[in-house]
Amino acid sequence: GQQLNQSPQSMFIQEGEDVSMNCTSSSIFNTWLWYKQDPGEGPVLLIALYKAGELTSNGRLTAQFGITRKDSFLNISASIPSDVGIYFCAGQNAGNNRKLIWGLGTSLAVNP
Amino acid sequence: EPEVTQTPSHQVTQMGQEVILRCVPISNHLYFYWYRQILGQKVEFLVSFYNNEISEKSEIFDDQFSVERPDGSNFTLKIRSTKLEDSAMYFCASSSTRNTEAFFGQGTRLTVV
Repeated sequence: GQQLNQSPQSMFIQEGEDVSMNCTSSSIFNTWLWYKQDPGEGPVLLIALYKAGELTSNGRLTAQFGITRKDSFLNISASIPSDVGIYFCAGQNAGNNRKLIWGLGTSLAVNP
Repeated sequence: EPEVTQTPSHQVTQMGQEVILRCVPISNHLYFYWYRQILGQKVEFLVSFYNNEISEKSEIFDDQFSVERPDGSNFTLKIRSTKLEDSAMYFCASSSTRNTEAFFGQGTRLTVV
């Protein structure tokens, strides 16, 4: 089945620094999604990407859908303490099942 | 803002017992999903449901699992005879016909003892 590799596994940064994480896949996806999960909570959608090459921003977050459709990255600029959490990429293909294939997550810690 | 709600937030059950996890998807959504997340691991797809039937299920979703949409608002996941390894966070999600991104509930933490 399709596999997603997400890196880095964890990051520990200073407040104000920029952060970058990425996902690569063994095969193509039609949609890339980035979610954030706080401890004990469900994943919350941050950004959805639908077209190869698409670059989308949501406040301090920017994500891109790779041209090959096999990768995506998420950047967070000027990190703040509330950015702490686990960030997951997820890939989705077309069709009625719409299931998401998930990366292993990037755990982000921000030192104030 | 509309949201997916799940109950209970935490369920403790004895091995071999049946559990029913409940979800109320966002009201105008037509696609429904169950995912699970074992502690410290990634989120795993269990099943998708559309037009009153399962559209896809994973190898995890064996005969012990079933889903139902008993009325116009609820979407349930039943585990017939729980095993220790069923302990996990179970997330319900839903999506609309127009956009494919799924919105997740807060999850039910299932602990099998």
